[in-house]
Amino acid sequence: AQTVTQSQPEMSVQEAETVTLSCTYDTSESDYYLFWYKQPPSRQMILVIRQEAYKQQNATENRFSVNFQKAAKSFSLKISDSQLGDAAMYFCAYRSTNNDMRFGAGTRLTVKP
Amino acid sequence: DVKVTQSSRYLVKRTGEKVFLECVQDMDHENMFWYRQDPGLGLRLIYFSYDVKMKEKGDIPEGYSVSREKKERFSLILESASTNQTSMYLCASSYPGLGGSEQYFGPGTRLTVT
Repeated sequence: AQTVTQSQPEMSVQEAETVTLSCTYDTSESDYYLFWYKQPPSRQMILVIRQEAYKQQNATENRFSVNFQKAAKSFSLKISDSQLGDAAMYFCAYRSTNNDMRFGAGTRLTVKP
Repeated sequence: DVKVTQSSRYLVKRTGEKVFLECVQDMDHENMFWYRQDPGLGLRLIYFSYDVKMKEKGDIPEGYSVSREKKERFSLILESASTNQTSMYLCASSYPGLGGSEQYFGPGTRLTVT
């Protein structure tokens, strides 16, 4: 079974600075999807960004971008110009083409004013 | 906007009680999921359903059952609640087919079993 590892239980960043959250995964599949979800305190989990494994170009969504290294099975999330509202738990997730979805343990991001 | 709602945000039950957690989505999604979220473990899939009256076991189905009588509603049942089922429970829904479709999550139910 696929596994997703987030090696940073907690991270902190100064407001307006850049932070990178790490994620690695283990799979023998060649086609799959990767996601970063954000769970703000006491609020619903929402999708931040997604990446299709067959696309070499890294996905970007405004201040959020990923560094997808397929050979290394690495999928990190970079948040630029961090804002107080970025404070949340961030989950990396892997989804195979048969819809099997796996989540990492999460990284709690604190943004310091 | 997709909306996924869960019947309770907080729930306190006693050991041995039968517990029902309800989830409703308003986007006509075929797929629905129940996860539990525990610190340091992320989200673990309990059960999922691809259609009405269909259900599939996830990674941790023991002690749980589900019901999906209508497309928009997916219920999680704890037949006899135990203290180790104290957790945050998240419901999600998604379109079928392509693995790239995102899951939309409900606000979660924090269940405490005493």
